[in-house]
Amino acid sequence: GAGVSQSPRYKVAKRGQDVALRCDPISGHVSLFWYQQALGQGPEFLTYFQNEAQLDKSGLPSDRFFAERPEGSVSTLKIQRTQQEDSAVYLCASSLVHGVSGLNTGELFFGEGSRLTVL
Amino acid sequence: GENVEQHPSTLSVQEGDSAVIKCTYSDSASNYFPWYKQELGKRPQLIIDIRSNVGEKKDQRIAVTLNKTAKHFSLHITETQPEDSAVYFCAASPPGGGNKLTFGTGTQLKVEL
Repeated sequence: GAGVSQSPRYKVAKRGQDVALRCDPISGHVSLFWYQQALGQGPEFLTYFQNEAQLDKSGLPSDRFFAERPEGSVSTLKIQRTQQEDSAVYLCASSLVHGVSGLNTGELFFGEGSRLTVL
Repeated sequence: GENVEQHPSTLSVQEGDSAVIKCTYSDSASNYFPWYKQELGKRPQLIIDIRSNVGEKKDQRIAVTLNKTAKHFSLHITETQPEDSAVYFCAASPPGGGNKLTFGTGTQLKVEL
């Protein structure tokens, strides 16, 4: 596709519901990131995939958050038993190259985000 | 881990004036420093980046400077235009992290006519 595509763009969930957010990266991009952006704040790192391997999940706030990228392309971020503090925009980003030690050469391309509101 | 601080949080300038946004970072190993522009409700978009092996980079009206010793970097926008109005984020990334970025808290730039 022309860019990173995310769905749904808007999601309203009742507290306690499970949600699944989808990211379709740019075709051929090796790296995929999920970020959480609270209102008026900068994006905060959640997790990182290189192809299908989840190399870093240090930013996931709790074990209610789970991400996968089983075939190294589309990724899903799942949030179980949503809480009000989970309300935020969830941004997905992809990059053509992966970080080789000492080098960071790939621009991150972001999607429009999925805005989650937990009531 | 890396910590990035950004100032000011809001900046208002007259059209045609210059705007400067400053960031500091904590991890001396960080070697990649991009700047993103985010319009309301839109995706962040890269506007310029700099790597630790250079001190300054310029692209038309936009320039970025990096001081590794002091661990700070700045974005300079000259001849500002109304379409420059947006939120700007700085970020830093350590080597080997696959471009794992730590972002600043953002600067809301308003260019007034």
